[in-house]
Amino acid sequence: GAVVSQHPSRVICKSGTSVKIECRSLDFQATTMFWYRQFPKKSLMLMATSNEGSKATYEQGVEKDKFLINHASLTLSTLTVTSAHPEDSSFYICSARDVQGMATGELFFGEGSRLTVL
Amino acid sequence: LAKTTQPISMDSYEGQEVNITCSHNNIATNDYITWYQQFPSQGPRFIIQGYKTKVTNEVASLFIPADRKSSTLSLPRVSLSDTAVYYCLVGDHVWTGRRALTFGSGTRLQVQP
Repeated sequence: GAVVSQHPSRVICKSGTSVKIECRSLDFQATTMFWYRQFPKKSLMLMATSNEGSKATYEQGVEKDKFLINHASLTLSTLTVTSAHPEDSSFYICSARDVQGMATGELFFGEGSRLTVL
Repeated sequence: LAKTTQPISMDSYEGQEVNITCSHNNIATNDYITWYQQFPSQGPRFIIQGYKTKVTNEVASLFIPADRKSSTLSLPRVSLSDTAVYYCLVGDHVWTGRRALTFGSGTRLQVQP
């Protein structure tokens, strides 16, 4: 089945630095990808919708200048956490739907990226 | 988007059948019901999806009554490896794929030996 891959799976950085997380659809094209954030023992919270070739749509309360999203190709979306601070530490998960396989409408998720800001 | 309500947690023993019910009273006509499984520090994994009546695959069954205001995920003969969080999601899936899914609180299933 379709696979969504995230990289890196874990990253530790110093406060004030920027971190980029990549999300790739490995065997299908995804015009739309979604970025979620998850705190320990909490549910996934949608951060933004990434649209190929256009600006991302952010959910209310999510700072677009803090969480930069770029969807430059049909198989790659990136999330950059700029000037990271300890409160940005979280588990970030991307997802994408294989538009060609709309019969099931299955949404595929990446493995997640755990960010720790010191 | 339809809101979902699930039990926060459930406990079971190996070999038992587990049924997790999800309420979605304001489900729309075009909405499908999808269940995902999530292990710690991993992304959610698709389990099953349905629109009405019953759907069965190799890992689970999904029961949806005629009014579609609830659904029940049935896991036959659970094992320790089924310990995870299970999410019920409702949304218009059979579309362009541009709409995200909203996650509820999920049900934390603990399977004991």
